[in-house]
Amino acid sequence: DSGVTQTPKHLITATGQRVTLRCSPRSGDLSVYWYQQSLDQGLQFLIQYYNGEERAKGNILERFSAQQFPDLHSELNLSSLELGDSALYFCASSTRRDNEQFFGPGTRLTVL
Amino acid sequence: AQKITQTQPGMFVQEKEAVTLDCTYDTSDPSYGLFWYKQPSSGEMIFLIYQGSYDQQNATEGRYSLNFQKARKSANLVISASQLGDSAMYFCAMRELQKGGANSKLTFGKGITLSVRP
Repeated sequence: DSGVTQTPKHLITATGQRVTLRCSPRSGDLSVYWYQQSLDQGLQFLIQYYNGEERAKGNILERFSAQQFPDLHSELNLSSLELGDSALYFCASSTRRDNEQFFGPGTRLTVL
Repeated sequence: AQKITQTQPGMFVQEKEAVTLDCTYDTSDPSYGLFWYKQPSSGEMIFLIYQGSYDQQNATEGRYSLNFQKARKSANLVISASQLGDSAMYFCAMRELQKGGANSKLTFGKGITLSVRP
């Protein structure tokens, strides 16, 4: 158990819908990262937050957005969902020292 | 340009034997970190080992060791005494420092599937 929690574990929805994925980092970790793992694209970085502020953006679509709240949990919002958005979405957190990024169990999103 | 390269096809190893999983990387930053993660069929990402670019010695964590050859830009993972539970996908990843030294995202390779035979 990495100490990073993600909910829900599985999500099945339809095209055009909007979903919210939630992540709670390890206690004391200020950085939260979101990654997407799909068969064709592999593991790709989406976005990073540090202590509530957006720190870096990767290959994140405009239909996707994220935020980190004062209690440091983070949410990833995916809207106007397409079949190609079906993937495993990971949240990870790290300490300032950043020698490790601890991954949550992931949310498996299926868009039908 | 691809920053992390894992080109081995599916790897097979006999139980109790050692296996090396290859990883090469590309960066112009003098300060970076290299990671290996294990992803079993259940899907979670399990941190295995970390090597910093300035570390003088190769990292070791139990049965895992990292053969770090900086001049060749390679960071191969060595698993000794393979166990059936080692069957999984293995990912090599690199962290480059962002401006201001802030924590940085990981860039992953495509992964290598390892199967351990009894």
